[in-house]
Amino acid sequence: SQTIHQWPATLVQPVGSPLSLECTVEGTSNPNLYWYRQAAGRGLQLLFYSVGIGQISSEVPQNLSASRPQDRQFILSSKKLLLSDSGFYLCAWSVGGAGNTEAFFGQGTRLTVV
Amino acid sequence: AQSVTQLDSHVSVSEGTPVLLRCNYSSSYSPSLFWYVQHPNKGLQLLLKYTSAATLVKGINGFEAEFKKSETSFHLTKPSAHMSDAAEYFCVVSDPIRRDDKIIFGKGTRLHILP
Repeated sequence: SQTIHQWPATLVQPVGSPLSLECTVEGTSNPNLYWYRQAAGRGLQLLFYSVGIGQISSEVPQNLSASRPQDRQFILSSKKLLLSDSGFYLCAWSVGGAGNTEAFFGQGTRLTVV
Repeated sequence: AQSVTQLDSHVSVSEGTPVLLRCNYSSSYSPSLFWYVQHPNKGLQLLLKYTSAATLVKGINGFEAEFKKSETSFHLTKPSAHMSDAAEYFCVVSDPIRRDDKIIFGKGTRLHILP
């Protein structure tokens, strides 16, 4: 069966420090991969999505970037964190090319920038 | 581009009374629609999904939703609320025709159950 791993679960980082959140999926190939951010009262905002290795689409201009170095690996990064980057980050996958399947979520990373 | 609007940020109902969480969508083609639930400090769980089959979709925990193309709506209902239903609910749209496979979430509706 398919599983998705996201780590770390919680993270406290100082302003200006770098960030790397990692997400891996097991049990499927060529998934669509997503990074969402959940801020209080704002729902889940789609940050990045990827339909294949090296293919990244950015939904909103921001201080973050994403990379997909392997088929089932999706990394969220920042060179210098801002206070406004605090939030709950969720990685998700869906079946690639199907277009009508739901997203399956990791457990999320609670990021606090201090 | 597809989008989804959840009309209420908070809904309060008494235990045992019906629940209605409203969702309207915008999509260029026939969309796929989903409802997710997130309990406090928990992950996201799929409640139900519509993918162009029956317009009335039954999900887990007694929830159901009806796809109404003429109204571009996909409201979530439950006949009788239970205390354990208190959570945040997200309406979600994806467009199966587009090749980008984006999955877009609404801003969420927090459901409060009054004893």
